[in-house]
Amino acid sequence: GENVEQHPSTLSVQEGDSAVIKCTYSDSASNYFPWYKQELGKGPQLIIDIRSNVGEKKDQRIAVTLNKTAKHFSLHITETQPEDSAVYFCAASPGGYQKVTFGIGTKLQVIP
Amino acid sequence: GAVVSQHPSWVICKSGTSVKIECRSLDFQATTMFWYRQFPKQSLMLMATSNEGSKATYEQGVEKDKFLINHASLTLSTLTVTSAHPEDSSFYICSAGTVNNEQFFGPGTRLTVL
Repeated sequence: GENVEQHPSTLSVQEGDSAVIKCTYSDSASNYFPWYKQELGKGPQLIIDIRSNVGEKKDQRIAVTLNKTAKHFSLHITETQPEDSAVYFCAASPGGYQKVTFGIGTKLQVIP
Repeated sequence: GAVVSQHPSWVICKSGTSVKIECRSLDFQATTMFWYRQFPKQSLMLMATSNEGSKATYEQGVEKDKFLINHASLTLSTLTVTSAHPEDSSFYICSAGTVNNEQFFGPGTRLTVL
Protein backbone atom coordinates (compact mmCIF):
# COMPACT_ATOMS: atom_id res chain seq x y z
CA GLY A 1 0.00 0.00 0.00
CA GLU A 2 0.86 3.66 -0.15
CA ASN A 3 3.21 5.19 2.42
CA VAL A 4 3.44 8.95 2.81
CA GLU A 5 6.26 10.50 4.80
CA GLN A 6 6.08 14.11 5.88
CA HIS A 7 8.60 16.45 7.47
CA PRO A 8 9.21 18.40 9.51
CA SER A 9 6.76 17.40 12.24
CA THR A 10 6.95 20.90 13.72
CA LEU A 11 7.91 24.18 12.13
CA SER A 12 8.20 27.65 13.63
CA VAL A 13 8.64 30.70 11.45
CA GLN A 14 8.52 34.43 11.97
CA GLU A 15 5.55 36.24 10.55
CA GLY A 16 6.28 37.24 6.97
CA ASP A 17 8.78 34.45 6.37
CA SER A 18 8.15 31.45 4.14
CA ALA A 19 7.33 27.93 5.30
CA VAL A 20 8.06 24.74 3.39
CA ILE A 21 6.70 21.30 4.14
CA LYS A 22 7.95 18.27 2.24
CA CYS A 23 6.39 14.87 1.58
CA THR A 24 7.39 11.70 -0.19
CA TYR A 25 5.21 8.86 -1.36
CA SER A 26 5.89 5.28 -2.34
CA ASP A 27 3.17 4.15 -4.74
CA SER A 28 3.82 5.18 -8.34
CA ALA A 29 0.09 4.71 -9.01
CA SER A 30 -0.73 7.76 -6.89
CA ASN A 31 -1.76 10.68 -9.06
CA TYR A 32 -3.62 13.03 -6.76
CA PHE A 33 -1.90 14.95 -3.97
CA PRO A 34 -4.04 17.14 -1.72
CA TRP A 35 -2.93 19.29 1.18
CA TYR A 36 -5.10 19.90 4.21
CA LYS A 37 -5.04 22.45 7.00
CA GLN A 38 -6.47 21.41 10.34
CA GLU A 39 -7.14 23.84 13.14
CA LEU A 40 -7.56 22.62 16.70
CA GLY A 41 -10.83 20.78 17.22
CA LYS A 42 -11.89 21.04 13.59
CA GLY A 43 -11.92 18.81 10.55
CA PRO A 44 -9.22 19.10 7.87
CA GLN A 45 -9.78 21.73 5.21
CA LEU A 46 -8.58 21.20 1.65
CA ILE A 47 -6.32 24.14 0.83
CA ILE A 48 -4.70 23.09 -2.43
CA ASP A 49 -4.14 19.98 -4.49
CA ILE A 50 -2.07 18.89 -7.46
CA ARG A 51 -2.43 16.13 -9.97
CA SER A 52 0.30 14.11 -11.61
CA ASN A 53 0.07 15.89 -14.95
CA VAL A 54 1.10 19.18 -13.35
CA GLY A 55 4.44 20.10 -11.80
CA GLU A 56 3.42 23.20 -9.89
CA LYS A 57 0.27 24.95 -8.79
CA LYS A 58 -0.17 28.25 -7.03
CA ASP A 59 -3.05 29.90 -5.20
CA GLN A 60 -2.21 33.30 -3.76
CA ARG A 61 0.33 32.70 -0.97
CA ILE A 62 0.22 28.93 -1.27
CA ALA A 63 2.03 26.84 -3.86
CA VAL A 64 2.60 23.14 -4.29
CA THR A 65 5.24 21.40 -6.38
CA LEU A 66 5.34 17.80 -7.52
CA ASN A 67 8.25 15.71 -8.74
CA LYS A 68 6.83 12.40 -9.93
CA THR A 69 10.21 10.97 -10.80
CA ALA A 70 11.48 11.45 -7.28
CA LYS A 71 8.06 10.81 -5.75
CA HIS A 72 8.04 13.92 -3.65
CA PHE A 73 5.85 16.97 -3.34
CA SER A 74 6.06 20.13 -1.28
CA LEU A 75 3.88 22.88 0.13
CA HIS A 76 5.17 26.44 0.13
CA ILE A 77 3.50 29.20 2.11
CA THR A 78 4.86 32.69 1.55
CA GLU A 79 4.40 35.81 3.65
CA THR A 80 3.14 33.74 6.55
CA GLN A 81 0.57 35.18 8.91
CA PRO A 82 -0.43 34.14 12.45
CA GLU A 83 -3.67 32.68 11.09
CA ASP A 84 -1.60 30.22 9.08
CA SER A 85 -0.74 28.50 12.36
CA ALA A 86 -2.29 25.01 12.22
CA VAL A 87 -1.44 21.41 11.46
CA TYR A 88 -0.89 20.69 7.78
CA PHE A 89 -1.30 17.24 6.25
CA CYS A 90 -0.09 16.07 2.89
CA ALA A 91 -1.78 13.10 1.26
CA ALA A 92 -1.62 10.88 -1.79
CA SER A 93 -4.22 8.90 -3.68
CA PRO A 94 -4.46 6.88 -6.86
CA GLY A 95 -7.76 8.63 -7.49
CA GLY A 96 -10.95 6.98 -8.66
CA TYR A 97 -12.66 7.25 -5.27
CA GLN A 98 -9.85 5.27 -3.72
CA LYS A 99 -8.63 6.08 -0.27
CA VAL A 100 -6.28 8.91 0.53
CA THR A 101 -3.17 8.14 2.56
CA PHE A 102 -2.10 10.91 4.92
CA GLY A 103 1.27 12.02 6.20
CA ILE A 104 1.79 12.43 9.95
CA GLY A 105 1.19 16.16 9.83
CA THR A 106 3.27 19.28 10.40
CA LYS A 107 2.44 21.67 13.19
CA LEU A 108 3.18 25.13 11.86
CA GLN A 109 3.56 28.01 14.27
CA VAL A 110 3.82 31.52 12.91
CA ILE A 111 5.32 33.83 15.48
CA PRO A 112 4.05 37.42 15.33
CA GLY B 1 -16.49 24.82 -2.11
CA ALA B 2 -18.16 21.59 -1.13
CA VAL B 3 -19.65 21.50 2.36
CA VAL B 4 -19.84 18.46 4.58
CA SER B 5 -21.62 18.52 7.92
CA GLN B 6 -21.47 16.18 10.87
CA HIS B 7 -23.87 15.74 13.72
CA PRO B 8 -23.43 15.83 16.61
CA SER B 9 -20.28 17.89 17.01
CA TRP B 10 -19.67 16.32 20.39
CA VAL B 11 -21.28 13.60 22.46
CA ILE B 12 -20.76 12.17 25.91
CA CYS B 13 -22.20 8.77 26.66
CA LYS B 14 -22.05 6.02 29.24
CA SER B 15 -20.07 2.86 28.66
CA GLY B 16 -22.16 0.20 26.95
CA THR B 17 -24.42 2.53 25.03
CA SER B 18 -24.46 3.09 21.27
CA VAL B 19 -23.83 6.37 19.54
CA LYS B 20 -24.78 7.36 16.00
CA ILE B 21 -22.88 10.01 14.05
CA GLU B 22 -24.29 11.49 10.85
CA CYS B 23 -22.29 12.79 7.90
CA ARG B 24 -24.00 14.80 5.20
CA SER B 25 -22.77 16.33 1.96
CA LEU B 26 -24.80 19.51 1.72
CA ASP B 27 -24.26 20.76 -1.80
CA PHE B 28 -23.10 17.76 -3.77
CA GLN B 29 -23.78 14.07 -4.11
CA ALA B 30 -21.14 11.78 -2.69
CA THR B 31 -21.01 8.28 -4.03
CA THR B 32 -18.22 7.53 -1.62
CA MET B 33 -17.75 8.68 1.95
CA PHE B 34 -14.91 7.89 4.29
CA TRP B 35 -14.77 7.59 8.07
CA TYR B 36 -11.65 8.47 10.00
CA ARG B 37 -10.57 8.39 13.59
CA GLN B 38 -8.03 10.79 15.00
CA PHE B 39 -6.25 10.62 18.33
CA PRO B 40 -4.71 13.75 19.88
CA LYS B 41 -1.68 15.03 18.00
CA GLN B 42 -1.86 12.21 15.50
CA SER B 43 -2.77 11.85 11.87
CA LEU B 44 -6.09 10.63 10.53
CA MET B 45 -6.63 6.89 10.55
CA LEU B 46 -9.00 5.59 7.91
CA MET B 47 -11.59 3.27 9.43
CA ALA B 48 -13.77 2.45 6.45
CA THR B 49 -14.89 3.45 3.01
CA SER B 50 -18.62 3.80 2.57
CA ASN B 51 -20.28 3.42 -0.81
CA GLU B 52 -23.88 4.37 -1.39
CA GLY B 53 -26.13 1.35 -1.53
CA SER B 54 -23.48 -1.22 -0.69
CA LYS B 55 -21.60 -2.56 2.31
CA ALA B 56 -18.75 -0.54 3.68
CA THR B 57 -15.16 -1.64 3.24
CA TYR B 58 -13.32 -1.70 6.54
CA GLU B 59 -9.61 -1.22 7.07
CA GLN B 60 -7.61 -3.97 8.66
CA GLY B 61 -8.05 -4.04 12.41
CA VAL B 62 -11.35 -2.13 12.45
CA GLU B 63 -14.22 -4.16 13.88
CA LYS B 64 -17.14 -3.96 11.48
CA ASP B 65 -19.60 -5.19 14.10
CA LYS B 66 -18.56 -2.46 16.48
CA PHE B 67 -18.46 0.39 13.98
CA LEU B 68 -21.58 0.06 11.87
CA ILE B 69 -21.66 2.15 8.74
CA ASN B 70 -24.73 2.86 6.63
CA HIS B 71 -24.60 4.90 3.43
CA ALA B 72 -28.31 5.04 2.61
CA SER B 73 -28.27 7.94 0.17
CA LEU B 74 -25.89 10.02 -1.91
CA THR B 75 -25.83 12.70 0.77
CA LEU B 76 -25.90 10.78 4.03
CA SER B 77 -23.67 8.25 5.74
CA THR B 78 -23.91 7.22 9.38
CA LEU B 79 -21.41 5.67 11.76
CA THR B 80 -22.77 3.87 14.81
CA VAL B 81 -20.38 3.02 17.60
CA THR B 82 -22.02 0.07 19.32
CA SER B 83 -21.50 -0.81 22.98
CA ALA B 84 -19.08 2.05 23.36
CA HIS B 85 -16.23 1.83 25.85
CA PRO B 86 -13.79 4.46 27.11
CA GLU B 87 -11.16 3.34 24.61
CA ASP B 88 -13.56 4.35 21.82
CA SER B 89 -13.27 7.95 22.94
CA SER B 90 -11.79 9.85 20.02
CA PHE B 91 -12.36 12.44 17.32
CA TYR B 92 -14.35 10.92 14.45
CA ILE B 93 -14.25 12.67 11.09
CA CYS B 94 -16.04 11.87 7.87
CA SER B 95 -15.21 12.98 4.35
CA ALA B 96 -17.13 12.91 1.11
CA GLY B 97 -15.54 12.16 -2.23
CA THR B 98 -16.26 14.01 -5.45
CA VAL B 99 -16.02 12.94 -9.08
CA ASN B 100 -12.69 14.81 -9.25
CA ASN B 101 -11.23 12.58 -6.49
CA GLU B 102 -11.29 15.42 -3.98
CA GLN B 103 -12.26 14.67 -0.40
CA PHE B 104 -14.03 17.27 1.66
CA PHE B 105 -14.09 16.75 5.39
CA GLY B 106 -16.74 17.33 7.97
CA PRO B 107 -16.00 19.29 11.16
CA GLY B 108 -15.61 16.14 13.23
CA THR B 109 -17.41 14.63 16.21
CA ARG B 110 -15.77 14.44 19.61
CA LEU B 111 -16.89 11.24 21.38
CA THR B 112 -16.27 10.81 25.08
CA VAL B 113 -17.29 7.53 26.68
CA LEU B 114 -17.49 7.58 30.45
